[in-house]
Order: sequence, then structure tokens, then C-alpha cells
Amino acid sequence: IQLTQSPSLLSASVGDRVTLSCKGSQNINNYLAWYQQKLGEAPKLLIYKTNSLQTGIPSRFSGSGSGTDYTLTISSLHSEDLATYYCYQYNNGWTFGGGTKLELK
Amino acid sequence: QVQLKESGPGLVQPSQTLSLTCTVSGFSLMDYSVHWVRQPPGKGLEWMGRMKYDGDTYYNSALKSRLSISRDTSKSQVFLKMNSLQTEDTAIYYCTRGGAYWGQGTLVTVSS
Repeated sequence: IQLTQSPSLLSASVGDRVTLSCKGSQNINNYLAWYQQKLGEAPKLLIYKTNSLQTGIPSRFSGSGSGTDYTLTISSLHSEDLATYYCYQYNNGWTFGGGTKLELK
Repeated sequence: QVQLKESGPGLVQPSQTLSLTCTVSGFSLMDYSVHWVRQPPGKGLEWMGRMKYDGDTYYNSALKSRLSISRDTSKSQVFLKMNSLQTEDTAIYYCTRGGAYWGQGTLVTVSS
């Protein structure tokens, strides 16, 4: 399964509502996770099984979707959220999307 | 607490074999699967392969011919071996348990 993330680069301001997209080449059956990666750090798990928030992750992060189309939403952008975000499917093998870099406008 | 740590040579010559070790603590390799993921400098993440808790392995089809993952449960270690290395294999190599726990990563540079 291939994953396509859009946009590849997103400019936003602190306080904005931000939506990132991830589209699979076939049905992912909700086995979709989202990761945040800051420069020089290992990826951090934010969301698993489409919409389950990992322990310790702020509630401004949420996930949704079904079938082939999934979304990560940040309800109100904080400066510490500037990072690259990856979706990851584990329904059929394991695959990462190409990433969305979130930068400050 | 759960910890993973990668170790191995920082520099490998082209055409040679890469050997990495992931040493884990805080859990048993017979209870949890461990995956290997790599990231070339400035690029995205690539899933490489998995050592399942029952000893089964599964590889990225693009790397399968060059990659081998094994383990020593008594030492709490998972091993990655990849042959015929090229410059494009230069990357940070991570091991991870379930995607929730990650090692710090180890940079491997392929260069003569």
C-alpha cells in the first residue's frame, strides 16, 4: 500500500486550525497512525488506529478517516507543533507517507 | 521503563555489509515485535522490516534481497544485516517497538 500525504509543505500561524491529509492506494481499514518528527529527534507517535490519541499527547491533536482517506487535525496550532508529520499504515505490511512539513507563516 | 538503543559502525564502505544491533530493555522480545526504520538525511522515513515476537520476520519488498533481521532473546537484542551497501543507504537507522517506543537512532554513512 502506498501513502500520499498532502500538502508536502504547509505554512500556518499560531492559533490556526490545521488539517493534514493522507491517502492510501487501497483500503487501510483504519490501521493508520500519525507521527510527529522534529529536527534531530526520533518520530513521536501521536495517533493510532485512525483516531486513538497516544498517552501524553495533547487533545488539540485528533485523527479521522476511513477507507483510503485519513486526516490529522490540530485544532489550534502551538509553536511547538512545528515539525514534519508522517502517516503510517499497518493494515497490509507497513508503509510511511512522504511527510508534511508544517512551518510558521 | 521501555528502552531501545541502536549500535553499529558509523561508516561502511560501498559494497560491504552493514551490521546493526538493537538492544532493548524493559520488555521481552518474546512478547513484542521490533521494527527497523531508516531515514536518509533530509528525507522521509522508510520501513525496513520486522522481527515478530514469535520469531517470524517480514521485510520491505524493496530491500528483501539484501536484508536479514534476527535476534538473541537471551541478550534482548535484535540484529539487522544488509549487504551490498551503496551511498543511497546512508541514513539514520532506528529500531522501534510498535511505533510507540523508539531508539535514538544511529547514523550510518556509506562512503569509501
